[in-house]
Amino acid sequence: DAGVIQSPRHEVTEMGQEVTLRCKPISGHDYLFWYRQTMMRGLELLIYFNNNVPIDDSGMPEDRFSAKMPNASFSTLKIQPSEPRDSAVYFCASSPGTGMNTEAFFGQGTRLTVV
Amino acid sequence: AQKITQTQPGMFVQEKEAVTLDCTYDTSDPSYGLFWYKQPSSGEMIFLIYQGSYDQQNATEGRYSLNFQKARKSANLVISASQLGDSAMYFCAMRDGGGADGLTFGKGTHLIIQP
Repeated sequence: DAGVIQSPRHEVTEMGQEVTLRCKPISGHDYLFWYRQTMMRGLELLIYFNNNVPIDDSGMPEDRFSAKMPNASFSTLKIQPSEPRDSAVYFCASSPGTGMNTEAFFGQGTRLTVV
Repeated sequence: AQKITQTQPGMFVQEKEAVTLDCTYDTSDPSYGLFWYKQPSSGEMIFLIYQGSYDQQNATEGRYSLNFQKARKSANLVISASQLGDSAMYFCAMRDGGGADGLTFGKGTHLIIQP
C-alpha cells in the first residue's frame, strides 16, 4: 500500500485566495483525521471523519476552514479566504477501526505558506 | 488543560548512549493508549511504539522501549544505543475515552545525536 497520500506537498498562495488540500487515506481505513502543525501550537486535531461522516470538527479554527469527505478514498480541507496566520504544515492521517491501540498513519504533509 | 506534557524542548546526546525522553499525561479515563512518533527533518510522522493503560508490561520495539509508570502518569521513551539517524523531533500522544477520537499530541522534544 502506498500509505496516506497528500497533495500538494507545498503550497504558496496570496492572502485572500482559496486553498484546497487533498488527501487519499489508506484503503480500508475507516477513520480520517486532519491535523495542523505550527511551531507555536504544535500538532492540533482539526477534524476527523468516520466512514466519510464528520464526527468532531471542534478543532476547526474558523468558518474559513471546511473539510469534506465525499467518498472513502478522498478528503479535502479548504481554506477560504486564506490568511498569513494559516501558514502551517497540514497533515492528513488515517486509521483502521476504533481500537484504543490503533495507531494513526500520517501522510507526508502539505506545507502551506500564505503571503 | 494540557493532556500531554513533554518538558524537554531539546536534547543533545552522544552517539551510542541511551536516551530517555520524558512524557507525562493527564486523563481521568481508566482506558487510554499512549503513542510515540518520530518526525525527522523530512517532515513525515513515523509511529514508534504503543502502550495501553491496562498493559502489564512495558512496551518494547527493537531499540525503543517505554518506561510506563501509571501512578505517576508518565510514559517515557527510552532509545538504547542511539544512532545519528535518531536525530529528530519526538512526540508523545494519547488517545482516551472511547478510543474513536484523534490523538492528542505533546509539543515534542528535539533530539540531536552527536558523533
